[in-house]
Amino acid sequence: QSVLTQPPSASGTPGQRVTISCSGSTSNIGRHTVNWYQQFPGTAPKLLLYRDNQRPSGVPDRFSGSKSGTSASLAISGLQSGDEGDYYCSAWDVSLNGWLFGGGTKLTVL
Amino acid sequence: EVQVVESGGGLVQPGGSLTISCVASGFTFSDYWMTWVRQAPGKGLEWVANIKGDGSEKYSVDSVRGRFTISRDNTENLLYLQMNSLRADDTAVYYCARVSRVSVAGTNWFDPWGQGTLVTVSS
Repeated sequence: QSVLTQPPSASGTPGQRVTISCSGSTSNIGRHTVNWYQQFPGTAPKLLLYRDNQRPSGVPDRFSGSKSGTSASLAISGLQSGDEGDYYCSAWDVSLNGWLFGGGTKLTVL
Repeated sequence: EVQVVESGGGLVQPGGSLTISCVASGFTFSDYWMTWVRQAPGKGLEWVANIKGDGSEKYSVDSVRGRFTISRDNTENLLYLQMNSLRADDTAVYYCARVSRVSVAGTNWFDPWGQGTLVTVSS
């Protein structure tokens, strides 16, 4: 079964650095790039990072991404209260012949 | 401004049908794959289906194959999702999104997303 696994929650205090992991397999992350989406309550998802670590224009460099083997990570430095929301990783899966999303990680700024 | 806007959601009985739409603007619609992603209440994102720019290729997730049909009208910049034999577990906000144009398969991303349209399947 093709799945991307994320921790259901993450938290940090303002100014801290937080990382969110995304674990997959050789049919998805292991052979294709990873994208990250940010979603605030009641709003649509928004592209946060693409191709593992590329930021669309307008996304602050506090957000960064990395990938190694079949896992990827999103790092948020200088945590701000406005970063509270849900974060989803996504990758193409050759077995599914479609896109997979992780279950999402709810980020709380304490 | 590149934009996609969904419409057509509503309440439908189990076993019923509904077609939702997405109108695109600000880009050459026929040049892009488009996709539908859904989100059940309180749940995560699930990819539903995608369609090539000229409509010649379509793919969908197993759970909707044979029940949902993705299509497009490039003359009107419209994307559709026709949903038949609807079930309670199809209840979700349905988002349309543009798929990025890249030369290497499997390296695409979704941007922008629409605001979503809510489909509720209930008696």
